[in-house]
Amino acid sequence: QSALTQPASVSGSPGQSITISCTGTSSDVGAYKFVSWYQQHPDKAPKLMIYDVSNRPSGVSNRFSGSKSGNTASLTISGLQAEDEADYYCSSYTPSTTLIIFGGGTKLTVL
Amino acid sequence: EVQLLESGGGLVQPGGSLRLSCAASGLIFSTYAMSWVRQAPGKGLEWVSGISATGGTTYYADSVKGRFTISRDNSKNTLYLQMNSLRAEDTAVYYCAKWDWNDYWFAPWGQGSLVTVSS
Repeated sequence: QSALTQPASVSGSPGQSITISCTGTSSDVGAYKFVSWYQQHPDKAPKLMIYDVSNRPSGVSNRFSGSKSGNTASLTISGLQAEDEADYYCSSYTPSTTLIIFGGGTKLTVL
Repeated sequence: EVQLLESGGGLVQPGGSLRLSCAASGLIFSTYAMSWVRQAPGKGLEWVSGISATGGTTYYADSVKGRFTISRDNSKNTLYLQMNSLRAEDTAVYYCAKWDWNDYWFAPWGQGSLVTVSS
């Protein structure tokens, strides 16, 4: 299975909004609600930010939101803060022996 | 608070074996599926393997199938990953994570254990 496609980098200024895309196929992202997003700060473990396309776990700021259209899922961060600077990864269920695939990751820089 | 603590990583020669452990606390371990996810240096995340709450069902990525074995000891609240026939491309930080069996997401994650395959 091929990895999901994410932009290598995005940037924004404090207070702005940014969107990170995650493109798959009609067999994975497009077919199921099982898309999740993870935040990873340098040398830290990933942290779940969004699951099932648009659900936020308890404790995650409502500045983070998720959506999906066709084969592309998106993570939007509003009111950018310095602490949001991190790598972000999407993942999706795929009906193959490799059950779960990740995107290549997007580095978010807060200018 | 759920805590996951990996151990067992280190330097191993190509073709060698290593067993990772993940000690869990703060949850009823026997009721949750678990997974291993790895990250090669400077690279992205790759799902490796998953196991059901009872241990009766296991899943593997194609890249490790036949070489890695996931298991668990619910009496010890511990998850394992036995890695055989290791290759240079298996070099990575290995994370254990509580796995939502129904919706395929991972939370929380352990701090990771580095495995380096090199001669």
